[in-house]
Formats: sequence, C-alpha cells, structure tokens
Amino acid sequence: DQQVKQNSPSLSVQEGRISILNCDYTNSMFDYFLWYKKYPAEGPTFLISISSIKDKNEDGRFTVFLNKSAKHLSLHIVPSQPGDSAVYFCAARIYDYKLSFGAGTTVTVRA
Amino acid sequence: DTGVSQDPRHKITKRGQNVTFRCDPISEHNRLYWYRQTLGQGPEFLTYFQNEAQLEKSRLLSDRFSAERPKGSFSTLEIQRTEQGDSAMYLCASSLAGDLNQPQHFGDGTRLSIL
Repeated sequence: DQQVKQNSPSLSVQEGRISILNCDYTNSMFDYFLWYKKYPAEGPTFLISISSIKDKNEDGRFTVFLNKSAKHLSLHIVPSQPGDSAVYFCAARIYDYKLSFGAGTTVTVRA
Repeated sequence: DTGVSQDPRHKITKRGQNVTFRCDPISEHNRLYWYRQTLGQGPEFLTYFQNEAQLEKSRLLSDRFSAERPKGSFSTLEIQRTEQGDSAMYLCASSLAGDLNQPQHFGDGTRLSIL
C-alpha cells in the first residue's frame, strides 16, 4: 500500500518564483521525513529533512514544513533556479529504518 | 569519491539469464539497503543489511532474488531466471545505524533491461 503520496506528478514554475511541492502520508508511526532530488541517470540525492518533533526546517533556499495533524508536508524552494529542474521525491521512515517513497514530482523551472 | 558506488551502471540481458549487481557503500556505514524503481514510481524497498546480517526482505523480493553482504562491506544482488517484469533501476543506499538525524545516501543505480 502507498503510505506516502505525491499527488502532483509535475510542476512548472518561472525562474525566481516559489516552487511548492506537497506530500501526504498515512502512517502515523513515521517520525522522520526527507526530500530527495533526482536528475536523469543519477541516484536520488538528499536535499532536506525534518523530524516529527518539528514543524519547520530551513536550509538556504529550501524549507520543509510538517503538519502532523494533517499528515502533510511540503517543500518550498525560493527562489527557483534552472538547476532545480529535477524529480523530487518525498520519503518517510520509522526510526532509522527503511524509507517509503512517494511517486515523485517533476519540477520544471522556466527561464 | 567516497559516495555509494554501484556496478554495472547498465545491464542488458535476455529473459531467463542470471544477473548480479554490486554495491559498495560509504565505508563507515554499517547499514545497506536495496531498492527498486520502475518508471513513474518512487523507489521501493527490497531488503537491508546491518553489517553482514540480512534483517528484512520485502514481499517484492521473490525466490529468484538473493542478496548477500558477506563481510559487512560490499553487497551483491542476484536475480536468477530474469523476467521482463524485472526491468527496473536497482538502487543501493547506505547509512549508519542509530544515527537518527542522517539520511540514507544513494548510489546512481544499475539500470536493468530485459530483452
């Protein structure tokens, strides 16, 4: 069963604007959430994470928000740059265990 | 380069043949994971090791699949009697057990194509 869902397969955004990617999960036991970025022919690269005890984590242009009551997290990229064009995967885990991934959102940043 | 290394990057084989992939994790990592990714999907967990012990296998891992990590360092994933449905990207990841605030680090994968 799909415990992590990314309902938007694609997102197109103009360079310099904000990209907002969304992710929903069903398993309330998840205690750590991650975003990975993937370019074609490469493996997923870790981007940013958040523990379930926090509601926000920021790293440069990237901010992840967690709403535990809604079982929802989002990734904000501000400002979006052409190099941000990639597939973004939301992932979740229980303790330091295996990851459950969403299906990914393809982001295209337009010049 | 001290990242996760996978070999080969691409493998094309005929249906029914056996294939073996190798993964070299980050040297200090004692956890090693195998995932499979098909087109339009996120990676799906297959199995993982802590040191040389295989601690869990997914239902996705049929009897034709076997994974080993004999010395607790590199790992191999073998698929016997390959089928067309085995065509996918096979990803390896590693981490340090108990390090709760660190992510799994992935290799670039082995893309398997079954003719």
